[in-house]
Amino acid sequence: DQQVKQNSPSLSVQEGRISILNCDYTNSMFDYFLWYKKYPAEGPTFLISISSIKDKNEDGRFTVFLNKSAKHLSLHIVPSQPGDSAVYFCAASAIGTGGFKTIFGAGTRLFVKA
Amino acid sequence: EAGVVQSPRYKIIEKKQPVAFWCNPISGHNTLYWYRQNLGQGPELLIRYENEEAVDDSQLPKDRFSAERLKGVDSTLKIQPAELGDSAVYLCASSLDLTGFPYNEQFFGPGTRLTVL
Repeated sequence: DQQVKQNSPSLSVQEGRISILNCDYTNSMFDYFLWYKKYPAEGPTFLISISSIKDKNEDGRFTVFLNKSAKHLSLHIVPSQPGDSAVYFCAASAIGTGGFKTIFGAGTRLFVKA
Repeated sequence: EAGVVQSPRYKIIEKKQPVAFWCNPISGHNTLYWYRQNLGQGPELLIRYENEEAVDDSQLPKDRFSAERLKGVDSTLKIQPAELGDSAVYLCASSLDLTGFPYNEQFFGPGTRLTVL
């Protein structure tokens, strides 16, 4: 039962254009969402997050949009750069018994072509 | 500032052998996590510690996996005996969790890639 789904295993974008990575979730109890970026042979690193009380959060070239009614979030990267080529994980968190839980999606591999 | 340190980086063992992974979190971080990441999947939580207490081990296969964080700092994850299906990357992460706000950024180590033959 995948509670957090990233349906696109990979995405290829031209340098300078917009990259849009999508994520869907099924559990309405999730109230905090994060994106992590992972380079080969390294652990994931935090990129940007958004609380469920917001529908948009922006940090430089990165913007995350949240549509609670659709249980969907997306990460926009504008403009895309070759150094953005990595695997991007969407994660969703909720408070439950035993504390909070964070569930990760399977990831989307982004290729930014120069 | 040093990040999360994990060792070894790679480990190859035969099935039924024991294996142990070590993690040293970022100094001052009170919460430590062990994740398993299978090929093509996202990290899946095995166990979470707040200081030395395991507060969520619901996904830890307790028949063969064990973990400890005796002094609330570094931690060890052990598998005994290992099975073929245990081949994966084992990630350690840490965070500084503040009272009233549990959703804090997790800092990940580079992981240990385990291959069970």
